[in-house]
Amino acid sequence: QKEVEQNSGPLSVPEGAIASLNCTYSDRGSQSFFWYRQYSGKSPELIMFIYSNGDKEDGRFTAQLNKASQYVSLLIRDSQPSDSATYLCAVRSPGNNRKLIWGLGTSLAVNP
Amino acid sequence: DTEVTQTPKHLVMGMTNKKSLKCEQHMGHRAMYWYKQKAKKPPELMFVYSYEKLSINESVPSRFSPECPNSSLLNLHLHALQPEDSALYLCASRLGQAGEQFFGPGTRLTVL
Repeated sequence: QKEVEQNSGPLSVPEGAIASLNCTYSDRGSQSFFWYRQYSGKSPELIMFIYSNGDKEDGRFTAQLNKASQYVSLLIRDSQPSDSATYLCAVRSPGNNRKLIWGLGTSLAVNP
Repeated sequence: DTEVTQTPKHLVMGMTNKKSLKCEQHMGHRAMYWYKQKAKKPPELMFVYSYEKLSINESVPSRFSPECPNSSLLNLHLHALQPEDSALYLCASRLGQAGEQFFGPGTRLTVL
C-alpha cells in the first residue's frame, strides 16, 4: 500500500529557530513532492514542491529530497509565530499522476 | 495569480435539502478536483475532472454529484446528505507536469 508518513507532532520550536519537518514515502517510483501549510479552519496552501534530488530554497523555506532514502523534508529558518500551522506532505502517485497521496500532517508551534 | 474561488463559504442544510457548491478558476488549469476534509485529517479526494471530463470518482456516494460546465467552473450538487457529511469541502485546480494543486478557501458544510 502506498503511504506517506509524517510525525504528527506537535513540534514545538522557539521563535527564530530552525523548524525541521520530515516525511517518508513508500513508493520508490514517486516523482513529485509537495509541502502544504494549513492554518486551523483554512484551506491548504502550497508552499514548496520538489522533484529533483537535493535542496530547493524559497525565502525562509528549504525543501530537501533524498530519493534513495525515500524522504523529503522541509526546513523553516528563522521561524515565526505566524508559521504555527499544520504542514502536510503530499506525493504525486506514480500510478495515477492526477492523484496526490497525503501524509497526516505535522503540527508546528512556534513559541514567542 | 493562483486563485481558486469557492462559494458559499459556509452552508447549513437539512438532510432533505438540495444545495450546490461552486468553484471557479481562471488560471487555464485543465484539471479540477473536489476534496472533503474532516478535522485533523488530510484532504480526501472525491472527484477529478480533466479537460472537463470526469476522470476519477473515488467511490463517492451518489448523494454527491459533480458537474463541470466548462473549463473554469466546477459544481458539486448535494442531495439527501447525512450529518457525517459535515466537513470542509475543498476545490483545487492543477497546474502543470509536476502536479501541483492549488486550493480554494473551501466551503464549511454542516448537515443537520
